[in-house]
Amino acid sequence: AQKITQTQPGMFVQEKEAVTLDCTYDTSDQSYGLFWYKQPSSGEMIFLIYQGSYDEQNATEGRYSLNFQKARKSANLVISASQLGDSAMYFCAMREGSRGAQKLVFGQGTRLTINP
Amino acid sequence: GAVVSQHPSRVICKSGTSVKIECRSLDFQATTMFWYRQFPKKSLMLMATSNEGSKATYEQGVEKDKFLINHASLTLSTLTVTSAHPEDSSFYICSPKPGQGSYNEQFFGPGTRLTVL
Repeated sequence: AQKITQTQPGMFVQEKEAVTLDCTYDTSDQSYGLFWYKQPSSGEMIFLIYQGSYDEQNATEGRYSLNFQKARKSANLVISASQLGDSAMYFCAMREGSRGAQKLVFGQGTRLTINP
Repeated sequence: GAVVSQHPSRVICKSGTSVKIECRSLDFQATTMFWYRQFPKKSLMLMATSNEGSKATYEQGVEKDKFLINHASLTLSTLTVTSAHPEDSSFYICSPKPGQGSYNEQFFGPGTRLTVL
């Protein structure tokens, strides 16, 4: 079963608009973490934001915020005031449990294109 | 963020040859190393997990005799693709993890693009 689901293969947004990238997850663990990464055409994975399952506040990092709805098991990324440089692949990932290797499992990704 | 290097960044080789990819964590000690593979237009798929000084644990469907992982030190891990074939052409990314804390962080190397002719 897919643990991380990103249902939007591609998104097209006008510059300066806000955009929401969807991510839903599936886990039976109480302790888990959710990550968002940006991958430009160079291939590097750029860490954007993290949300812990016990965090009561939605995470924010500059123009990035995470809309965490625990009951719905969703962790959508919101990018405010989009810029041309935001065009890239975006991946949602989850780390389960508090012990062991704690590997990251990734969603399929969403390709975001910002139009001028 | 943490500094992670990978070498080489790009390699082209003939079918049947072996390729070694190095991953170094430059400013922290990585007790655990994750190796991922990403095919074009696909997501990152975990290949194996290794702990320093121990044998790697491979994900289902990943051949341990083909993808040799060495994690002999806390700052260096290597992935060797043995007898590479065109279907092994992919983007290989390492992800070292510190032993203490840092639950809310996970950094990645810049990746190695392997092309097998």
